[in-house]
Amino acid sequence: GAGVSQSPRYKVAKRGQDVALRCDPISGHVSLFWYQQALGQGPEFLTYFQNEAQLDKSGLPSDRFFAERPEGSVSTLKIQRTQQEDSAVYLCASSPRSGLAGGQGEQFFGPGTRLTVL
Amino acid sequence: QKEVEQNSGPLSVPEGAIASLNCTYSDRVSQSFFWYRQYSGKSPELIMSIYSNGDKEDGRFTAQLNKASQYVSLLIRDSQPSDSATYLCAGDYNTDKLIFGTGTRLQVFP
Repeated sequence: GAGVSQSPRYKVAKRGQDVALRCDPISGHVSLFWYQQALGQGPEFLTYFQNEAQLDKSGLPSDRFFAERPEGSVSTLKIQRTQQEDSAVYLCASSPRSGLAGGQGEQFFGPGTRLTVL
Repeated sequence: QKEVEQNSGPLSVPEGAIASLNCTYSDRVSQSFFWYRQYSGKSPELIMSIYSNGDKEDGRFTAQLNKASQYVSLLIRDSQPSDSATYLCAGDYNTDKLIFGTGTRLQVFP
């Protein structure tokens, strides 16, 4: 079956440009997550959606980062006025579980978008 | 501060040996743990999840969880060169997010 897909796979932006990264979760998965992974590090949580509701955005590093999931399926992570420190791989994951208590269970990752800011 | 810690490695084992990967966590709250395998340039792939104390086996993989000592481990039996990758440990701390360690790089040599 189809897994999580992300586009574009690679994005090069000049400093100051805005970028938009897209995630298509596994069909029927209620929960969607965005993570940022720097080279040599584990993924770090950015934000979480349950259906169309953004329930946690505590990991977004600044107000230049914005995420949405308006219809509860596809999600977009937008970064405004990109900076060099934004260069990383942005991973999207989805999970079939919806409950917050007791954790989210297994999360399945997409291939990621590698963002390079020059 | 909720943390998950792993030795970055590399851990080198010969083909056919048992690879033992370890992870410690800082808070007793965490209920669920996950092991992900990440090949260079690829995204994390879930290989094992464990929710209760004890061992969980799946093929050549065994996950072990000890909540009293706050550690979780992954054993890979009959290691193959194709197992060479970075192994990420993650806990959910009963929240909506996964907290990852930095990963342990495993090298299996023929």
